[in-house]
This record gives sequence, C-alpha cells and structure tokens, in this order.
Amino acid sequence: EPEVTQTPSHQVTQMGQEVILRCVPISNHLYFYWYRQILGQKVEFLVSFYNNEISEKSEIFDDQFSVERPDGSNFTLKIRSTKLEDSAMYFCASSEGILEGPSSYEQYFGPGTRLTVT
Amino acid sequence: AQSVTQLDSQVPVFEEAPVELRCNYSSSVSVYLFWYVQYPNQGLQLLLKYLSGSTLVKGINGFEAEFNKSQTSFHLRKPSVHISDTAEYFCAVSSNDYKLSFGAGTTVTVRA
Repeated sequence: EPEVTQTPSHQVTQMGQEVILRCVPISNHLYFYWYRQILGQKVEFLVSFYNNEISEKSEIFDDQFSVERPDGSNFTLKIRSTKLEDSAMYFCASSEGILEGPSSYEQYFGPGTRLTVT
Repeated sequence: AQSVTQLDSQVPVFEEAPVELRCNYSSSVSVYLFWYVQYPNQGLQLLLKYLSGSTLVKGINGFEAEFNKSQTSFHLRKPSVHISDTAEYFCAVSSNDYKLSFGAGTTVTVRA
C-alpha cells in the first residue's frame, strides 16, 4: 500500500539554525500539507500546497517558513531560523485532489519528524 | 472557518467494555469528518471517515462513528475495547478549503 514517508525521523538543531524537513507524498496525489503538533497539544495546520504554489497557510506559517517541491517526488518544509518554540512533531500529508470530489479531502499522513530546538 | 470540540480529554476504560468518544464540530458549510488514531510515538492513522452517503460509517479495528448533522456531532464508538486500543484519538473536520482542523484529542487508556 502506498504511503507518505518523512525524513529524518528526529532532528536536533540549535536555535537560529536552518532546518529542512523532507517528505515524499503518495505518487499520484496532487495536494500536499504540513501540520505540526507541539508536545501535549493538538495537531495544527501549517500550509497546503497545490499546483506548485501555496493554496492556504495559517498564521503560524510566517516568513521564517517556506515550502518547496524541488522535484517530482519530494515536498520540503524549511524553517530559516529556528526558535525554541518550533520544537514539535511535524507531519506531512497528501491527498488525491483529482476530481475535487469527496476523495480529495482524505489526507494520508506520514510518520512525522520530531524537531528539537536547543 | 470550522472548529472541533472533543468533549473528553481522558477516557479510562476496562478491557472488553464499550467506549464512546464524543466529537462536536462547527462549520457554516458542508463538512467531511474524520477520526484519526495516534499510538504512542507514532504518526496519525486514519480510523474512519464520513464523506457522503450513510451517516453510520465503519472503520478499522472495529470502530464506527455516526454523523449527526442536526446535532453537529460525529461520535466514535467501539463495542468492546482491547488493551491495544490504548492511544490518542483525534476528531478532524474539513470543508471547502481542504485543510483539516483537529480537536484537542482524547486519550483512551484501556485497563485489564
């Protein structure tokens, strides 16, 4: 069964450093997402991406965040200058979005990258 | 904008007993509803979904949920739980903007 993969599983970085979190969505999916979950809190939407551009972003997704689809398979989240409060589990997800029917709304999640900023 | 309220933050339950996790949502447009499960130190796994059609949906691991539009609810049930059902359960809603809005989660602890 196809699945979303994410690397690395755990990333430790120092405050102020740049990090890139990588995701490989399911191959025929067209919509891609990043979410984050701070320890003990709920999962929060960060950004959605379709047709090589951001379709929606939350207020969390400020100028220090960026997303990119550098090739036909990878989808990345970059944090330019990490802060302590960026420590969280980051989940990538993808959905079909082919016919814009109900199946477009079913998102498949990767296992997450745990980011620890020290 | 939509929002999700999970009414119970923690639900302790004995093995083989039934469990119900409550979820209410608010949205001004048509919604699609989901339950995800997160086992300790793992990612999010889809349990079941309501996209259209029958309001009673069945998912994996013996779980089911009923969509009630008039009460804006999507409660999750399982008639008999196992120790392995110990996990965190998240209700989520999506509408025309595709993004998922999650509830705060319900921690289910199954005891022998």
